[in-house]
Amino acid sequence: GESVGLHLPTLSVQEGDNSIINCAYSNSASDYFIWYKQESGKGPQFIIDIRSNMDKRQGQRVTVLLNKTVKHLSLQIAATQPGDSAVYFCAENQASGGSYIPTFGRGTSLIVHP
Amino acid sequence: GAGVSQTPSNKVTEKGKYVELRCDPISGHTALYWYRQSLGQGPEFLIYFQGTGAADDSGLPNDRFFAVRPEGSVSTLKIQRTERGDSAVYLCASSLSGGSNYGYTFGSGTRLTVV
Repeated sequence: GESVGLHLPTLSVQEGDNSIINCAYSNSASDYFIWYKQESGKGPQFIIDIRSNMDKRQGQRVTVLLNKTVKHLSLQIAATQPGDSAVYFCAENQASGGSYIPTFGRGTSLIVHP
Repeated sequence: GAGVSQTPSNKVTEKGKYVELRCDPISGHTALYWYRQSLGQGPEFLIYFQGTGAADDSGLPNDRFFAVRPEGSVSTLKIQRTERGDSAVYLCASSLSGGSNYGYTFGSGTRLTVV
Protein backbone atom coordinates (compact mmCIF):
# COMPACT_ATOMS: atom_id res chain seq x y z
CA GLY A 1 0.00 0.00 0.00
CA GLU A 2 0.93 3.69 -0.07
CA SER A 3 1.62 5.81 2.98
CA VAL A 4 2.40 9.46 3.43
CA GLY A 5 3.87 10.88 6.57
CA LEU A 6 7.02 12.46 7.89
CA HIS A 7 9.07 10.00 5.90
CA LEU A 8 9.21 9.62 2.15
CA PRO A 9 5.93 8.24 0.75
CA THR A 10 6.41 4.55 0.15
CA LEU A 11 4.77 2.09 -2.22
CA SER A 12 5.34 -1.61 -1.58
CA VAL A 13 4.46 -4.13 -4.28
CA GLN A 14 5.10 -7.75 -5.11
CA GLU A 15 7.32 -8.67 -8.02
CA GLY A 16 5.22 -8.99 -11.15
CA ASP A 17 2.52 -6.58 -10.01
CA ASN A 18 1.87 -3.29 -11.74
CA SER A 19 2.90 -0.14 -9.84
CA ILE A 20 1.34 3.29 -10.01
CA ILE A 21 3.20 6.26 -8.60
CA ASN A 22 1.40 9.59 -8.38
CA CYS A 23 2.60 13.15 -8.42
CA ALA A 24 0.90 16.52 -8.12
CA TYR A 25 2.59 19.47 -9.77
CA SER A 26 2.25 23.10 -8.89
CA ASN A 27 2.46 25.31 -11.96
CA SER A 28 -0.34 25.20 -14.52
CA ALA A 29 2.01 26.90 -17.02
CA SER A 30 4.53 24.02 -16.94
CA ASP A 31 4.71 22.40 -20.35
CA TYR A 32 7.17 19.56 -19.93
CA PHE A 33 7.31 16.85 -17.30
CA ILE A 34 9.89 14.20 -16.54
CA TRP A 35 9.95 11.12 -14.36
CA TYR A 36 13.25 10.18 -12.75
CA LYS A 37 14.42 7.08 -10.92
CA GLN A 38 17.03 7.50 -8.21
CA GLU A 39 18.88 4.58 -6.69
CA SER A 40 20.86 4.89 -3.50
CA GLY A 41 24.10 6.79 -3.99
CA LYS A 42 23.30 7.80 -7.54
CA GLY A 43 21.91 10.82 -9.31
CA PRO A 44 18.40 10.88 -10.78
CA GLN A 45 18.10 8.83 -13.96
CA PHE A 46 15.69 9.80 -16.74
CA ILE A 47 12.82 7.35 -17.26
CA ILE A 48 10.24 9.02 -19.45
CA ASP A 49 8.95 12.48 -20.29
CA ILE A 50 5.74 14.00 -21.55
CA ARG A 51 4.77 17.35 -23.01
CA SER A 52 1.67 19.23 -22.03
CA ASN A 53 0.04 18.68 -25.43
CA MET A 54 -0.20 14.96 -24.65
CA ASP A 55 -2.09 13.08 -21.95
CA LYS A 56 -0.35 9.72 -22.26
CA ARG A 57 3.01 8.44 -23.33
CA GLN A 58 4.34 4.90 -23.28
CA GLY A 59 7.84 3.53 -23.01
CA GLN A 60 9.23 0.13 -22.30
CA ARG A 61 7.19 -1.16 -19.33
CA VAL A 62 6.40 2.40 -18.28
CA THR A 63 3.51 4.72 -19.05
CA VAL A 64 3.09 8.31 -17.97
CA LEU A 65 -0.35 9.89 -17.72
CA LEU A 66 -0.88 13.63 -17.49
CA ASN A 67 -4.08 15.26 -16.25
CA LYS A 68 -3.68 19.00 -16.69
CA THR A 69 -7.11 19.75 -15.27
CA VAL A 70 -6.08 18.63 -11.80
CA LYS A 71 -2.31 19.07 -12.31
CA HIS A 72 -1.59 15.42 -11.77
CA LEU A 73 0.96 13.01 -13.21
CA SER A 74 1.23 9.29 -12.76
CA LEU A 75 3.87 6.75 -13.64
CA GLN A 76 2.75 3.22 -14.29
CA ILE A 77 5.31 0.42 -14.23
CA ALA A 78 4.18 -2.89 -15.66
CA ALA A 79 5.37 -6.22 -14.26
CA THR A 80 7.45 -4.55 -11.56
CA GLN A 81 10.83 -6.14 -10.91
CA PRO A 82 13.14 -5.99 -7.87
CA GLY A 83 15.49 -3.81 -9.94
CA ASP A 84 12.74 -1.19 -10.07
CA SER A 85 13.16 -0.57 -6.34
CA ALA A 86 14.24 3.06 -6.02
CA VAL A 87 12.92 6.54 -5.29
CA TYR A 88 10.88 8.03 -8.12
CA PHE A 89 10.57 11.76 -8.70
CA CYS A 90 8.45 13.77 -11.05
CA ALA A 91 9.83 17.06 -12.27
CA GLU A 92 8.09 19.91 -14.04
CA ASN A 93 9.87 22.39 -16.23
CA GLN A 94 9.20 25.90 -15.05
CA ALA A 95 10.05 28.84 -17.25
CA SER A 96 12.79 31.16 -16.03
CA GLY A 97 13.76 34.10 -18.21
CA GLY A 98 13.36 32.24 -21.49
CA SER A 99 14.85 29.00 -20.26
CA TYR A 100 13.49 26.13 -18.23
CA ILE A 101 14.38 24.84 -14.80
CA PRO A 102 13.32 21.34 -13.74
CA THR A 103 11.55 21.56 -10.39
CA PHE A 104 11.25 18.33 -8.44
CA GLY A 105 8.52 16.92 -6.28
CA ARG A 106 9.26 15.12 -3.03
CA GLY A 107 9.50 11.61 -4.41
CA THR A 108 8.04 8.18 -3.72
CA SER A 109 10.02 5.20 -2.56
CA LEU A 110 9.09 2.04 -4.46
CA ILE A 111 9.90 -1.26 -2.74
CA VAL A 112 9.50 -4.41 -4.79
CA HIS A 113 9.32 -7.66 -2.86
CA PRO A 114 10.54 -10.81 -4.64
CA GLY B 1 33.00 12.45 -21.26
CA ALA B 2 30.14 10.02 -21.54
CA GLY B 3 28.29 11.33 -18.52
CA VAL B 4 28.26 14.13 -15.98
CA SER B 5 31.19 13.77 -13.62
CA GLN B 6 31.22 15.23 -10.12
CA THR B 7 34.18 15.37 -7.79
CA PRO B 8 34.79 14.61 -5.06
CA SER B 9 32.13 11.98 -4.49
CA ASN B 10 32.36 12.57 -0.74
CA LYS B 11 33.62 15.55 1.21
CA VAL B 12 33.82 15.92 4.97
CA THR B 13 34.69 19.36 6.25
CA GLU B 14 34.69 21.21 9.53
CA LYS B 15 32.17 23.89 10.29
CA GLY B 16 33.43 27.26 9.13
CA LYS B 17 35.67 25.91 6.38
CA TYR B 18 35.51 26.67 2.66
CA VAL B 19 34.71 23.96 0.11
CA GLU B 20 34.66 23.65 -3.66
CA LEU B 21 32.62 21.08 -5.53
CA ARG B 22 33.32 20.37 -9.18
CA CYS B 23 31.04 19.41 -12.04
CA ASP B 24 32.23 18.29 -15.47
CA PRO B 25 29.19 18.21 -17.79
CA ILE B 26 28.66 16.22 -20.94
CA SER B 27 30.76 17.64 -23.75
CA GLY B 28 28.78 20.13 -25.82
CA HIS B 29 26.06 20.69 -23.24
CA THR B 30 25.58 24.42 -22.86
CA ALA B 31 23.16 24.31 -19.93
CA LEU B 32 24.35 23.30 -16.46
CA TYR B 33 22.34 23.08 -13.25
CA TRP B 34 23.26 22.70 -9.60
CA TYR B 35 20.85 21.14 -7.14
CA ARG B 36 21.00 20.28 -3.45
CA GLN B 37 19.30 17.18 -2.09
CA SER B 38 18.69 16.61 1.59
CA LEU B 39 17.82 13.19 2.97
CA GLY B 40 14.31 12.15 2.02
CA GLN B 41 13.73 15.16 -0.20
CA GLY B 42 13.73 15.87 -3.89
CA PRO B 43 16.55 17.86 -5.49
CA GLU B 44 16.27 21.57 -4.78
CA PHE B 45 17.36 23.99 -7.49
CA LEU B 46 20.34 26.22 -6.73
CA ILE B 47 21.68 27.81 -9.91
CA TYR B 48 21.54 27.44 -13.67
CA PHE B 49 24.20 28.37 -16.23
CA GLN B 50 23.70 28.92 -19.91
CA GLY B 51 27.20 28.95 -21.30
CA THR B 52 29.48 30.94 -19.02
CA GLY B 53 26.80 33.09 -17.42
CA ALA B 54 24.56 32.36 -14.49
CA ALA B 55 21.14 32.69 -16.07
CA ASP B 56 19.27 32.04 -12.84
CA ASP B 57 20.79 31.97 -9.35
CA SER B 58 17.53 32.39 -7.48
CA GLY B 59 17.95 29.09 -5.66
CA LEU B 60 21.19 29.94 -3.89
CA PRO B 61 20.22 30.06 -0.19
CA ASN B 62 22.51 32.91 0.84
CA ASP B 63 25.69 34.76 -0.07
CA ARG B 64 27.91 31.98 1.29
CA PHE B 65 27.09 30.04 -1.87
CA PHE B 66 28.62 30.94 -5.21
CA ALA B 67 29.20 29.12 -8.49
CA VAL B 68 31.27 29.77 -11.58
CA ARG B 69 31.62 28.34 -15.04
CA PRO B 70 34.41 30.43 -16.57
CA GLU B 71 34.85 28.59 -19.87
CA GLY B 72 31.33 27.31 -20.36
CA SER B 73 32.14 23.72 -19.49
CA VAL B 74 33.36 22.76 -15.99
CA SER B 75 31.56 24.44 -13.11
CA THR B 76 32.58 24.87 -9.50
CA LEU B 77 30.16 25.38 -6.61
CA LYS B 78 31.82 27.23 -3.76
CA ILE B 79 30.56 27.33 -0.20
CA GLN B 80 32.14 29.68 2.33
CA ARG B 81 31.98 29.38 6.11
CA THR B 82 30.22 26.05 5.91
CA GLU B 83 27.49 25.26 8.42
CA ARG B 84 26.13 21.89 9.54
CA GLY B 85 22.90 22.66 7.70
CA ASP B 86 24.84 22.68 4.43
CA SER B 87 25.27 18.92 4.72
CA ALA B 88 23.52 17.36 1.73
CA VAL B 89 24.16 15.76 -1.62
CA TYR B 90 25.00 18.36 -4.25
CA LEU B 91 23.91 17.28 -7.72
CA CYS B 92 24.89 18.67 -11.07
CA ALA B 93 22.99 18.19 -14.32
CA SER B 94 23.60 19.27 -17.88
CA SER B 95 21.54 19.48 -21.03
CA LEU B 96 22.16 20.46 -24.65
CA SER B 97 20.22 23.66 -24.18
CA GLY B 98 18.16 25.38 -21.52
CA GLY B 99 15.02 24.93 -23.55
CA SER B 100 12.35 22.41 -22.69
CA ASN B 101 13.02 20.16 -25.65
CA TYR B 102 16.10 18.53 -24.20
CA GLY B 103 16.55 16.01 -21.45
CA TYR B 104 18.80 16.48 -18.48
CA THR B 105 21.58 14.16 -17.38
CA PHE B 106 22.58 14.12 -13.73
CA GLY B 107 25.86 13.25 -12.13
CA SER B 108 26.08 11.00 -9.08
CA GLY B 109 26.54 13.96 -6.79
CA THR B 110 28.94 15.05 -4.07
CA ARG B 111 27.93 14.10 -0.54
CA LEU B 112 28.99 16.99 1.68
CA THR B 113 29.14 16.45 5.42
CA VAL B 114 29.88 19.40 7.68
CA VAL B 115 30.97 18.35 11.15
